Amino acid sequence: DAMVIQNPRYQVTQFGKPVTLSCSQTLNHNVMYWYQQKSSQAPKLLFHYYDKDFNNEADTPDNFQSRRPNTSFCFLDIRSPGLGDAAMYLCATSRDRGDYSYEQYFGPGTRLTVT
Amino acid sequence: DQQVKQNSPSLSVQEGRISILNCDYTNSMFDYFLWYKKYPAEGPTFLISISSIKDKNEDGRFTVFLNKSAKHLSLHIVPSQPGDSAVYFCAAFSRDDKIIFGKGTRLHILP
Repeated sequence: DAMVIQNPRYQVTQFGKPVTLSCSQTLNHNVMYWYQQKSSQAPKLLFHYYDKDFNNEADTPDNFQSRRPNTSFCFLDIRSPGLGDAAMYLCATSRDRGDYSYEQYFGPGTRLTVT
Repeated sequence: DQQVKQNSPSLSVQEGRISILNCDYTNSMFDYFLWYKKYPAEGPTFLISISSIKDKNEDGRFTVFLNKSAKHLSLHIVPSQPGDSAVYFCAAFSRDDKIIFGKGTRLHILP
C-alpha cells in the first residue's frame, strides 16, 4: 500500500542533544510537510518542500532544520532540543499545490520526549 | 491569534443522529478548506474538502457547508456511526500558501 512512514514512532532525547526524525513516502508526491503538534493544540506547519524548493514558515525556530535528499525522504533535525520541543511531529505529503490538490496524506507521527 | 477556530473541544451524539462540527475562520485570504479525521495513534486522514467558490460539498454521509459571509464552515455526518468517534480537524489554505489547522473537536458517538 502506498503510504507515509515515520520512524521512529517514539523518540526520547536529552535536553540539548541533537535529534533527527525521518519520513518516507511511497506515494511519489511532490510536496512534503513537517508539522508540530502539542497536546490539545492544532498541528502547526514548520516547513514544506515543493519538490526541492524549501519553504520555511516565518515563525519556525532556527533550532529546526529540514532536509529532503530525494523525492521519497524528508528529515527533521532539531539541533538543540529544549523541553518545549516535546511534541508529536507529523509528516505529510500532497500530490501538488498548483491544481488545488491540497489533500494531504499524513504519517502516524513521531512523539518526541525531551528529558 | 487563532485564525481557524473550532470552539467545541468535544461533542457527543447518539448513534444514528446527525453530528454537526463547526469551524470559524478570520482570514479572508483562505480559499480552500478541508476536514481531517484522526484516530488515536494514527495521523490525520483526509475526509472532505470545499473550495471557496462553492457553498456545499457532499460525499456519502459527509457534507461540508461553507458560509463565506460568516466565515464559517460546518461538517455534517448523517447518520452517525460508532466508527465516526474520532478527533476532527478543520484546516484552511490561503492564496499566499498558508496552511492553518484548528485545534480539533473530539466526537463521541453514543450507542
